[in-house]
Amino acid sequence: DIQMTQSPSTLSASVGDRVTITCRASQSISSWLAWYQQKPGKAPKLLIYKASSLQSGVPSRFSGSGSGTEFTLTINSLQPDDFATYFCQQYNNYPYTFGQGTNLEIK
Amino acid sequence: QVQLQESGPGLVKPSQTLSLTCTVSSGSINSGGYYWSWIRQLPGKGLEWIGYIYYSGNTKYYNPSLRNRVTISVDAYNNQFSLELSSVTAADTAVYYCARSEGWFGPWGQGTLVTVSS
Repeated sequence: DIQMTQSPSTLSASVGDRVTITCRASQSISSWLAWYQQKPGKAPKLLIYKASSLQSGVPSRFSGSGSGTEFTLTINSLQPDDFATYFCQQYNNYPYTFGQGTNLEIK
Repeated sequence: QVQLQESGPGLVKPSQTLSLTCTVSSGSINSGGYYWSWIRQLPGKGLEWIGYIYYSGNTKYYNPSLRNRVTISVDAYNNQFSLELSSVTAADTAVYYCARSEGWFGPWGQGTLVTVSS
């Protein structure tokens, strides 16, 4: 299975900050990577697919980049609604696998 | 916007079979050539993809970690797809989600907590 490793596990930031979350794959996954946001008690919500394509309805302050084994999710100008857990997921190889999550908390 | 909703027992006894159904609304399970997935989230832990089924039912993939215990089926007439997980143990206690798949997952159902306990 492809291992997805996110860093950091926890990130403290303030409203208005720009933050970056990194996801590394144990082998190349081309650009077959998605990012999700999850709030407590809710299902994950798709933010980004194909590494950098913004899902319809997702604010443009979210962006994704990378290819191969290293990917980033950037959130510009953090809003109060953005404090949540973020997961990456690869769909280049079966079985599809997720990162362990990054908890973005208010500083 | 298509919506998904999981249903099924919230408590299953050890060694029994967990059975869940996902009902798709505001759209047809037959349209668009999508795959339909089950994903679970173990308590306080990450996400595990269980497997998927193509809308026609003729293509399925199960995660090897669960393959010998999992069956996913589709009922296009009722716009539903289902999960069966046999011989459950406490380690199968999780929130189970259904989702539409295109490699990535979206939209998702709200999730249903299934507890394995006697």
